[in-house]
Amino acid sequence: RKEVEQDPGPFNVPEGATVAFNCTYSNSASQSFFWYRQDCRKEPKLLMSVYSSGNEDGRFTAQLNRASQYISLLIRDSKLSDSATYLCVVNSRSGYALNFGKGTSLLVTP
Amino acid sequence: NAGVTQTPKFRVLKTGQSMTLLCAQDMNHEYMYWYRQDPGMGLRLIHYSVGEGTTAKGEVPDGYNVSRLKKQNFLLGLESAAPSQTSVYFCASSLQGPSSYEQYFGPGTRLTVT
Repeated sequence: RKEVEQDPGPFNVPEGATVAFNCTYSNSASQSFFWYRQDCRKEPKLLMSVYSSGNEDGRFTAQLNRASQYISLLIRDSKLSDSATYLCVVNSRSGYALNFGKGTSLLVTP
Repeated sequence: NAGVTQTPKFRVLKTGQSMTLLCAQDMNHEYMYWYRQDPGMGLRLIHYSVGEGTTAKGEVPDGYNVSRLKKQNFLLGLESAAPSQTSVYFCASSLQGPSSYEQYFGPGTRLTVT
């Protein structure tokens, strides 16, 4: 089983829509969780960390369910500029590195 | 600050040739990483370093070597390139361990081995 699994999509949504992505992780001892964003042919950049109690950053909300070992990202009022690949990231078993999911592709259309 | 820079941006190699990819960061970060990204495979960790003079193997280290002689630089070497090493290579750095500190990525090196 892969350390981090995501639905690759693509998710095609109209501007203004709400879209949610989920990812699952295999290591129940994982402590650190993130969402990174990667634009086409660009480097990944941190979007937000994910905290146990859930957290929000503007239109973005991240949730963590430790019992079921999944992480979610909700994007409200989608913008064209939200079109990108969203990477679910969990700390590795060693603690020295991160495990990246393969990413979920989002395309927001006018 | 330039952040994380990578040299070169593009390269085409023939099978069996060698090359070195250079990563430099000006943020005084302790940790540095080399990843490769292939279609359908996501980012996979090749090697990493937790400080000057240290290196460690990641998920896919075979065929690569690394060195961290200076804190700001992390070099990735391919001694005898193979077509399976055609990929986009990303370098990243973080202030300390990645569980607590953001990883900053360089713009990537697109390598084709023919």
